[in-house]
Amino acid sequence: DQQVKQNSPSLSVQEGRISILNCDYTNSMFDYFLWYKKYPAEGPTFLISISSIKDKNEDGRFTVFLNKSAKHLSLHIVPSQPGDSAVYFCAASSQGGSEKLVFGKGTKLTVNP
Amino acid sequence: DVKVTQSSRYLVKRTGEKVFLECVQDMDHENMFWYRQDPGLGLRLIYFSYDVKMKEKGDIPEGYSVSREKKERFSLILESASTNQTSMYLCASSIPQGGGYEQYFGPGTRLTVT
Repeated sequence: DQQVKQNSPSLSVQEGRISILNCDYTNSMFDYFLWYKKYPAEGPTFLISISSIKDKNEDGRFTVFLNKSAKHLSLHIVPSQPGDSAVYFCAASSQGGSEKLVFGKGTKLTVNP
Repeated sequence: DVKVTQSSRYLVKRTGEKVFLECVQDMDHENMFWYRQDPGLGLRLIYFSYDVKMKEKGDIPEGYSVSREKKERFSLILESASTNQTSMYLCASSIPQGGGYEQYFGPGTRLTVT
């Protein structure tokens, strides 16, 4: 059973526009969420995170929104740049639980010049 | 600066060979993880370790074993490599904070089993 779902395998946007990547989760015990970015032939790099006590966290061009009632989070990238083209993974964990992260399957973002 | 290194970037092995993938972190992290990444399947946890000589199975441990003799080093072993183990293998580490927090990843090893 997939606890973290990224239903869009790919997304294509124009440079300068907003990219919105979505993630849904099923486990109500999850209370910490992370986004990772991965380029081909490289390891994932941490992008931004949010605790369940917040509904928004912002870092430069990247903003993560959390809707706990809908068990949904989204990553907004504004403005999108060609260098943002990568696979984005959503991950979740429960702070009182194990040390594991549960990852979604990823969304491949392509930002066209 | 945080650093996780993996012994090889690319590896080609034959079916039935014993394969060792090594991971070293220099951050004094207690937790270390091994994942594999396959297209359309995301990152799947193979094994993790929360202390020296301690290990726990992840979601897909079959066909793999691990060794953690020193805090900074975590090895993944394919006892008898098979073609369905062709994949990108990723090592990660983190500090324990009562739950999964940010994990730092190595560059990955692209393993091909022929």
